[in-house]
Amino acid sequence: DAMVIQNPRYQVTQFGKPVTLSCSQTLNHNVMYWYQQKSSQAPKLLFHYYDKDFNNEADTPDNFQSRRPNTSFCFLDIRSPGLGDAAMYLCATSREKGANTEAFFGQGTRLTVV
Amino acid sequence: AQKITQTQPGMFVQEKEAVTLDCTYDTSDPSYGLFWYKQPSSGEMIFLIYQGSYDQQNATEGRYSLNFQKARKSANLVISASQLGDSAMYFCAMREVNTNAGKSTFGDGTTLTVKP
Repeated sequence: DAMVIQNPRYQVTQFGKPVTLSCSQTLNHNVMYWYQQKSSQAPKLLFHYYDKDFNNEADTPDNFQSRRPNTSFCFLDIRSPGLGDAAMYLCATSREKGANTEAFFGQGTRLTVV
Repeated sequence: AQKITQTQPGMFVQEKEAVTLDCTYDTSDPSYGLFWYKQPSSGEMIFLIYQGSYDQQNATEGRYSLNFQKARKSANLVISASQLGDSAMYFCAMREVNTNAGKSTFGDGTTLTVKP
């Protein structure tokens, strides 16, 4: 059974139209991450939550926001998607932030901006 | 300097043979973990194997083993008896406890193609 679930798998949005991607987990992990991955590139961390504490990466554009209403759910909001925001968005969780805890990834949401 | 370097953009291997995917890393943190993930064309990142900086022995998980050479800062993934289903992109990643708040840094990946 999937432990990190991302919806939808594929999302098409219009240029400039706000879009929300969702992620849920059944692992009760403390940490949730959002990554952006462009074609054939390494995933790039956008931000993460440690419990309710939000941690933004320095180079994450203001256009990207996140919400974590409870332990199980985390949302990625793109306020005004541009063509350059088309990518795979990966949600991941980990039990803690220690060096020995692997991340569990969802299947990703592939975002297309038209 | 790049923290994780994967020098092989693409690799080919014959089915049933072994293959080594290279990974070197750069850190001054004494406490770190090294991970390998597999990403098939479907997009999901699948955790394969973990090696801790203080581990004395190389990690193994089924057909996967990690050749950890700490002094050389390398953590190569060895896949034995390759299968067609092993064709995917493979990412090496590192978590540094003290210097990077436990966040994962990924290499650029290696695309492995297994030939029948």
